[in-house]
Amino acid sequence: DSGVTQTPKHLITATGQRVTLRCSPRSGDLSVYWYQQSLDQGLQFLIQYYNGEERAKGNILERFSAQQFPDLHSELNLSSLELGDSALYFCASSVGTGGTTNEKLFFGSGTQLSVL
Amino acid sequence: QKEVEQDPGPLSVPEGAIVSLNCTYSNSAFQYFMWYRQYSRKGPELLMYTYSSGNKEDGRFTAQVDKSSKYISLFIRDSQPSDSATYLCAMAMNRDDKIIFGKGTRLHILP
Repeated sequence: DSGVTQTPKHLITATGQRVTLRCSPRSGDLSVYWYQQSLDQGLQFLIQYYNGEERAKGNILERFSAQQFPDLHSELNLSSLELGDSALYFCASSVGTGGTTNEKLFFGSGTQLSVL
Repeated sequence: QKEVEQDPGPLSVPEGAIVSLNCTYSNSAFQYFMWYRQYSRKGPELLMYTYSSGNKEDGRFTAQVDKSSKYISLFIRDSQPSDSATYLCAMAMNRDDKIIFGKGTRLHILP
């Protein structure tokens, strides 16, 4: 168990809808990262928050947004959903601002989103 | 050309064999190299990291980086069925930079 909690585990919704994915980082971790994993694109970095502030942005669509709350949990909001948004969405956390070498990324078990 | 290329497999080898997993990359600015292991229905977990070129060993795992060839490898000795998973290579330019992942290689260790 990585200590990172993601809810829900599975989400089935229709095109055009909006969903919210939730992540609780490991105790003491200040950074939260969101990744999207699909068969054709692999694991794609979406966005990182550090202690409530946006730290880095990756390939995140304008229809997607995220935030990190004062208690450090984070939410990823996906709106105007399309079929191609179907993927596994992972949240990860780390202690500091990095996430590469000695700052290990701890991943949750993911939310499987199916857009029908 | 994709930044990071990785053969998706699947790669099936008998228990006890030496496994070699590889990635190539195009961006010579990458300095940090990592290998993550991902079991089915789980998130990736960091296995190994190296900085710049060279080898790093941790138990049955050895990570190798050849920056001149833009090629990284992960070797698994005495492979076990519990090593069956998807292995993702990953890299970054700077310590605080975003991590770029390969698509992963599915590995099956046959008992």
